[in-house]
Amino acid sequence: SAVISQKPSRDICQRGTSLTIQCQVDSQVTMMFWYRQQPGQSLTLIATANQGSEATYESGFVIDKFPISRPNLTFSTLTVSNMSPEDSSIYLCSVGRDRGTYEQFFGPGTRLTVL
Amino acid sequence: AQTVTQSQPEMSVQEAETVTLSCTYDTSESDYYLFWYKQPPSRQMILVIRQEAYKQQNATENRFSVNFQKAAKSFSLKISDSQLGDAAMYFCAYRRANDMRFGAGTRLTVKP
Repeated sequence: SAVISQKPSRDICQRGTSLTIQCQVDSQVTMMFWYRQQPGQSLTLIATANQGSEATYESGFVIDKFPISRPNLTFSTLTVSNMSPEDSSIYLCSVGRDRGTYEQFFGPGTRLTVL
Repeated sequence: AQTVTQSQPEMSVQEAETVTLSCTYDTSESDYYLFWYKQPPSRQMILVIRQEAYKQQNATENRFSVNFQKAAKSFSLKISDSQLGDAAMYFCAYRRANDMRFGAGTRLTVKP
């Protein structure tokens, strides 16, 4: 398994500001994923971040709004830019095996509230 | 596009009883993976059980087992001897390569 930590665990931000969420994994992984989850709702994939290449964004998510960095095999950041109340959500970092069982492991999430 | 459907937004079970959560999915692929994840309130999502599509035998993990019907594209989760700690949101998920899709989730309540 993989142990994933996220910082911050929660934050309350003002409209128009930006927040960068950090994701640290205890082992080297090829694939990292960023999800958004409204409380009590399912997960929506924002983007896939592979080291050494630009992130691949899902429909409805753009790099200007959610820039992602992946400087090495154990770390990634997601920035939520120019925030509005609609961005209030839980943001989850996830890593996946690219072979074997193909399961994904999830971080504890970052609960973001935008006022 | 692959979709995952969980038709039961909420389920309730008496402690020590058995409950089955439903999941269906849509895919044209023959090789993929299916998962059930558990997300307790305000806690981290964890893997409950996985099933490889190429395996006919249903996966089991202690009190958790699945009924995998590949032709019907059905993947239900059975929880036996339910415990209070089983109360959580349960998500069914499909994965093939980098494509992972989640169902809307089923909220399971366990009554003492």
